[in-house]
Amino acid sequence: AQSVTQLGSHVSVSEGALVLLRCNYSSSVPPYLFWYVQYPNQGLQLLLKYTSAATLVKGINGFEAEFKKSETSFHLTKPSAHMSDAAEYFCAVTGTSYDKVIFGPGTSLSVIP
Amino acid sequence: DARVTQTPRHKVTEMGQEVTMRCQPILGHNTVFWYRQTMMQGLELLAYFRNRAPLDDSGMPKDRFSAEMPDATLATLKIQPSEPRDSAVYFCASGRDLSTDTQYFGPGTRLTVL
Repeated sequence: AQSVTQLGSHVSVSEGALVLLRCNYSSSVPPYLFWYVQYPNQGLQLLLKYTSAATLVKGINGFEAEFKKSETSFHLTKPSAHMSDAAEYFCAVTGTSYDKVIFGPGTSLSVIP
Repeated sequence: DARVTQTPRHKVTEMGQEVTMRCQPILGHNTVFWYRQTMMQGLELLAYFRNRAPLDDSGMPKDRFSAEMPDATLATLKIQPSEPRDSAVYFCASGRDLSTDTQYFGPGTRLTVL
């Protein structure tokens, strides 16, 4: 069965510091992987996605993620945090029939001035 | 800028009342998803459609929830009768394909059942 775990429900970083949000997945089929971001009182929007091409994926707002099959991980990083990055971040994996997306529980990112 | 729209944005109702939430997917998108978000359960998939046909609604309480797509520009989610435990934010999302494509989320309907 497909599943996603996100280590750390809350992460705090200082402005300008490295952002690292962890995601591990379980998949019985070659996965498609996504990171979505949710700002307060808004819907989710796509940050980036892995669709079996390059293992290092670059997204919007300076974020990137690396697909590591051996570690079943898809961690999200950004070299330097900005106050505007404070939001909820969701990792997601496709279902076994590629018919739906399974979302992780989310990680709330706080950026300290 | 094409967007998914949802109405109403906020709804307060009393237990036992019928609630209807509406979603207009982005023109040209053939898949529609309904999600529910709560602090306790996170983001839950309730149902999804492709080309207006329901593919899976196993995430919905069958006795009180129903989801339909009367036409390609409208998806509805109904709760009858509503209960306090239904209080949540309900999101609609649309896409061009099933899971491999980006899902575009609407702003959500915040439902409070008293």
